Amino acid sequence: RKEVEQDPGPFNVPEGATVAFNCTYSNSASQSFFWYRQDCRKEPKLLMSVYSSGNEDGRFTAQLNRASQYISLLIRDSKLSDSATYLCVVKTSGTYKYIFGTGTRLKVLA
Amino acid sequence: DAGVTQSPTHLIKTRGQQVTLRCSPKSGHDTVSWYQQALGQGPQFIFQYYEEEERQRGNFPDRFSGHQFPNYSSELNVNALLLGDSALYLCASSTLRGQSSYNEQFFGPGTRLTVL
Repeated sequence: RKEVEQDPGPFNVPEGATVAFNCTYSNSASQSFFWYRQDCRKEPKLLMSVYSSGNEDGRFTAQLNRASQYISLLIRDSKLSDSATYLCVVKTSGTYKYIFGTGTRLKVLA
Repeated sequence: DAGVTQSPTHLIKTRGQQVTLRCSPKSGHDTVSWYQQALGQGPQFIFQYYEEEERQRGNFPDRFSGHQFPNYSSELNVNALLLGDSALYLCASSTLRGQSSYNEQFFGPGTRLTVL
């Protein structure tokens, strides 16, 4: 089983739609969680850290469920510019290693 | 405020050759991590440098080595290149200094290595 798993997609959604991605992790000692966005042939860019109580940044909401070992990202009112690959990242307590999922591709259609 | 910079942007090598990639961290950052990203995959952790020492290593062979300099910049060296080493090599910087203990990483634009 992979340490961090994501549905690769692609998710094709119309502009204005709400879309949600889930990511599961296997190590219960995981401590820090992030969502990164990566455009084609570019570097990953930090979208948001995921806090235990959940957090929101504009149209983006991240949730953490430690009991079920998954994190989610909700994007409301999708824009064409949201088209990208969204990477789930997990860091385990006591290590310095950041583990990336394979990413979920999102395509927002006009 | 300069972000993470990497050089070169692209590189073409042949099997068996050696390559050195360079990274300068974001201003104020003291920790550098290196990742390999193959096409269609997420970045894979190679190793992390802090205080000029390799602090942790991922599942990569000894052909992959690195160095961190006193100014926090870093190099990644790969010896005896294989076709499978073709990938985007990303450098990420971070720090535990300051108020954030979340240790967020910021990535450079990467070096695209092609091995023929």
